[in-house]
Amino acid sequence: KNQVEQSPQSLIILEGKNCTLQCNYTVSPFSNLRWYKQDTGRGPVSLTIMTFSENTKSNGRYTATLDADTKQSSLHITASQLSDSASYICVVSGGGGFKTIFGAGTRLFVKA
Amino acid sequence: EAQVTQNPRYLITVTGKKLTVTCSQNMNHEYMSWYRQDPGLGLRQIYYSMNVEVTDKGDVPEGYKVSRKEKRNFPLILESPSPNQTSLYFCASTSVKANTGELFFGEGSRLTVL
Repeated sequence: KNQVEQSPQSLIILEGKNCTLQCNYTVSPFSNLRWYKQDTGRGPVSLTIMTFSENTKSNGRYTATLDADTKQSSLHITASQLSDSASYICVVSGGGGFKTIFGAGTRLFVKA
Repeated sequence: EAQVTQNPRYLITVTGKKLTVTCSQNMNHEYMSWYRQDPGLGLRQIYYSMNVEVTDKGDVPEGYKVSRKEKRNFPLILESPSPNQTSLYFCASTSVKANTGELFFGEGSRLTVL
């Protein structure tokens, strides 16, 4: 069964600290993996995309990694800011056709 | 500005009263999709459309209908809403031709069925 699991469910960190969010997937065949940021009450917005051959991609303070062998991805946030408080959703495309499978998300709270 | 527009953003209705949530995109995307988001469950796909007049069921289609008569519009219809359809709904679109897989989401429609 095609699944995407994220951990932790929620995380609280202090402003300026780093954190890492995890995503494990069982989607096959694999096409690409995206991390989305969803602010409260808003629609998700794409942060990074990674294909099978890529293992690291950065977007400012956000760095995503992908290990296609173990089917794991992580999103590392450096020097967190209050505006990083949001849900982060891991989305895997694949499983045949145009299918996208969503993780349940990690809710990040950044406190001053 | 490239965007996906949903209306209404907020709606309170009663059981059985038909309603339509509209979705429009100005990016000439072939693919459009509806999702519902419930606490702890993440986004679940209701229906999707690969192009005009082509629609298909997602993971949770029961109680919903859609139509795709024009490329830019993809309305979600609840013929007889029930309280278990209280949720946050998102419309999204992407370009099949570009094949990047990036979904562009609307701002969401929060529906409460009493």
